[in-house]
Amino acid sequence: ETGVTQSPTHLIKTRGQQVTLRCSSQSGHNTVSWYQQALGQGPQFIFQYYREEENGRGNFPPRFSGLQFPNYSSELNVNALELDDSALYLCASSGGVEETQYFGPGTRLLVL
Amino acid sequence: GENVEQHPSTLSVQEGDSAVIKCTYSDSASNYFPWYKQELGKRPQLIIDIRSNVGEKKDQRIAVTLNKTAKHFSLHITETQPEDSAVYFCAANHAGNMLTFGGGTRLMVKP
Repeated sequence: ETGVTQSPTHLIKTRGQQVTLRCSSQSGHNTVSWYQQALGQGPQFIFQYYREEENGRGNFPPRFSGLQFPNYSSELNVNALELDDSALYLCASSGGVEETQYFGPGTRLLVL
Repeated sequence: GENVEQHPSTLSVQEGDSAVIKCTYSDSASNYFPWYKQELGKRPQLIIDIRSNVGEKKDQRIAVTLNKTAKHFSLHITETQPEDSAVYFCAANHAGNMLTFGGGTRLMVKP
């Protein structure tokens, strides 16, 4: 198993609410990427943070936002939740922008 | 942006046979191609990766080949075992290490 952890493991929210998901990187890793994985599909890139700065963003609306802290842990925030936001949210840490990514166990979000 | 297509979507093999999964990508600037295995309810786990300066990489029963000219890469698993049953994802990077994933291949190894 990797040293990447995520919390919470599961979450149920209602449409319109806001949610914060957390990720703790593997020791020594300074880069975190977030992905959304809908049921039966491959992960889709949301954004990447490198040394506390956003380093790239996928095709997700601005209501998806993030933070990376000085200890390289990270948060994903989603505002105004929609039913289609129901998915497994994965974070992956790496030792640099072009290094191998190691995934956490994910947070399964259900929006009702 | 990058587009990655993966085939087949499902693959059933007999234990001991070989399995091959193929992916194509669109961004000629991509230079990093990892493969992940995801068991039901678990995280994607890296099984092998290849960078564009090599054409083939092998790790025990697993090998990956890359054809940059044709923009395709393949995963080869030999002597398959029931514990190889899982969903396999290929990916390609763009603009650094932002990964675009294929749609996945469900591999079933029948004992």
